[in-house]
Amino acid sequence: QKEVEQNSGPLSVPEGAIASLNCTYSDRGSQSFFWYRQYSGKSPELIMSIYSNGDKEDGRFTAQLNKASQYVSLLIRDSQPSDSATYLCAVNRDNYGQNFVFGPGTRLSVLP
Amino acid sequence: GVTQSPTHLIKTRGQQVTLRCSSQSGHNTVSWYQQALGQGPQFIFQYYREEENGRGNFPPRFSGLQFPNDSSELNVNALELDDSALYLCASSSQGRWGYTFGSGTRLTVV
Repeated sequence: QKEVEQNSGPLSVPEGAIASLNCTYSDRGSQSFFWYRQYSGKSPELIMSIYSNGDKEDGRFTAQLNKASQYVSLLIRDSQPSDSATYLCAVNRDNYGQNFVFGPGTRLSVLP
Repeated sequence: GVTQSPTHLIKTRGQQVTLRCSSQSGHNTVSWYQQALGQGPQFIFQYYREEENGRGNFPPRFSGLQFPNDSSELNVNALELDDSALYLCASSSQGRWGYTFGSGTRLTVV
């Protein structure tokens, strides 16, 4: 079992819809969780972080964490064509180091 | 921000390469990642206060340095074709905050 798993996609949604991206992780001791957006040929850009169970909202983005199920998700409301990118889930296994493990990413395509 | 140089590089199999990174101001931890096409970044190693602070599943021909000004180098010896990838430098402060990535160096080994 890989440490961090994501559906590779592509996930296609129409403009204005909600895009739902999912991630599961294997290390139950993981402490913090991040979503990065990566446009083709560019470096990853941090868009959300979440540390506690529940939801965290930032503009059109909502991160959801369920540590019991070892599951983290990202919802993008009112999806725009500019949201088309690969979304990387990253898990940090401790609070003090930067022991990040990335998933393979999900490619999102928002259709005009 | 985090700056990396060069942006693109073409090397021949068996050669050696050095990639450079300047961390974001105030960040004392630098990590290097390898990202092959269509995959997520793979952790190579991390430096904190000029000491290696963690290493991923990469052979010893991948080595690094961090300098007092928090700049960093990644050295790869005896290049192989599979080393062709985007190499990402990421800096952070110790703690649980996310990384800031540089724009990356695209290495092609022929």
